[in-house]
Parts: sequence; structure tokens; C-alpha cells
Amino acid sequence: DAGVIQSPRHEVTEMGQEVTLRCKPISGHDYLFWYRQTMMRGLELLIYFNNNVPIDDSGMPEDRFSAKMPNASFSTLKIQPSEPRDSAVYFCASSLGATLHGRYTFGSGTRLTVV
Amino acid sequence: GQQLNQSPQSMFIQEGEDVSMNCTSSSIFNTWLWYKQDPGEGPVLLIALYKAGELTSNGRLTAQFGITRKDSFLNISASIPSDVGIYFCAGLGNAGGTSYGKLTFGQGTILTVHP
Repeated sequence: DAGVIQSPRHEVTEMGQEVTLRCKPISGHDYLFWYRQTMMRGLELLIYFNNNVPIDDSGMPEDRFSAKMPNASFSTLKIQPSEPRDSAVYFCASSLGATLHGRYTFGSGTRLTVV
Repeated sequence: GQQLNQSPQSMFIQEGEDVSMNCTSSSIFNTWLWYKQDPGEGPVLLIALYKAGELTSNGRLTAQFGITRKDSFLNISASIPSDVGIYFCAGLGNAGGTSYGKLTFGQGTILTVHP
């Protein structure tokens, strides 16, 4: 398996623009997570899905952020409009059965810079 | 919300030395995990602990789940240059709590190994 695939690896955009981050989880995994990593706040859980259904989005910072999972093999995280404080590394992770076990496989991340 | 206090924040050691880092929480976790993050990559699972008092090894790595379920430590023996990276502890919330199913990460320990 190729692991969790995220795209793009790097994104530079201007303030106010819409940004879409993409994730392909490991085939067969039924949980998908979106995390944000910054120096100040570390790794923060934004939202997670089980069988394509959002379970907990309490970590989504504000209405400018939205996430979808239209099928088992694809998820997007959208920021509209983007702001400089959104600059961070965004990780997608997937797991099997298993928020109960914590065995997540992370993607390589998307480094977002908003100027 | 739940927070994990990880220490030390950084370590500078010589190749061949042993390393010890720990993680504490004011809340009880049912599962403790340790992840490692290499530069430019997502975290990778090293060890998972599921029972209070459990001691688990993975090669040169040893981790323990504290009896109180509020702490864990990770030891690395005979460090080598490829041990360089950021080590994160993580706790999985309890059933019935507001954090159920969520993996909460510590702030990380940055390890530097000098050849």
C-alpha cells in the first residue's frame, strides 16, 4: 500500500484565496483524521470521520474551515477565505477500526503558507 | 480539554548514549502511544500501550504505561544518528468522556544526536 497520500505537499497562497487540501486514506481504513501542526500549538485535531461521516468537528477553528469525505477513498479540507494565521502543516491520518487503538497512519502533510 | 505535558522539550546527546523522556497528564488515558516525526514527514507510530503498568519494547525502544494511567515514559538505548527527530507522546480519551476516540498529542521532545 502507498500509505496515506496528501496533495499538494506545499501550497503558497495569498490572503483571501480559497485553499483546498486533499487526502487519500489507506484502502480499507474506516477512520480519517485531519490535524494541524504549528510551533505554537503543536498537533491539533481538527475533525475526524468514520465511514465517511463527520464524527467530531469541534477542533475546526472557525467557519472558514470545512471538510468533506464524499467517499471512502477521498477527503478534502477547505479554507475560504484563507488568512496568514492559517499557515501551518496540515496532516491527514487514517486508521482501521481504531480510534479505540490510536494506531494512526499519517500522510506526509501539506505545508500551507498564506501571505 | 485534556493536555499532555511532555519533557524535556529538547535533548542534545552523543551517539551511544541512552535517552529518557516522559509524559504526564492531569487526566486518565486508556491508551498511551509514542510517535516519532522525521523532518518533512508525518508522525510514525513507535509503540502503543494499552494496560496500566504495561512495559513494551520495540528494538532499542522501551515504553511504559504508568500505574495511575496519567503518565508514560519512553527510553531509547544506545542512540544512533537516525534517532534524530521529534518524539510525541499521545493519549487516547476514555469512553463516555468528551474526548472519547480523540488522540491528544504532547508538545514533543526534539532529539539531536551528535556522531
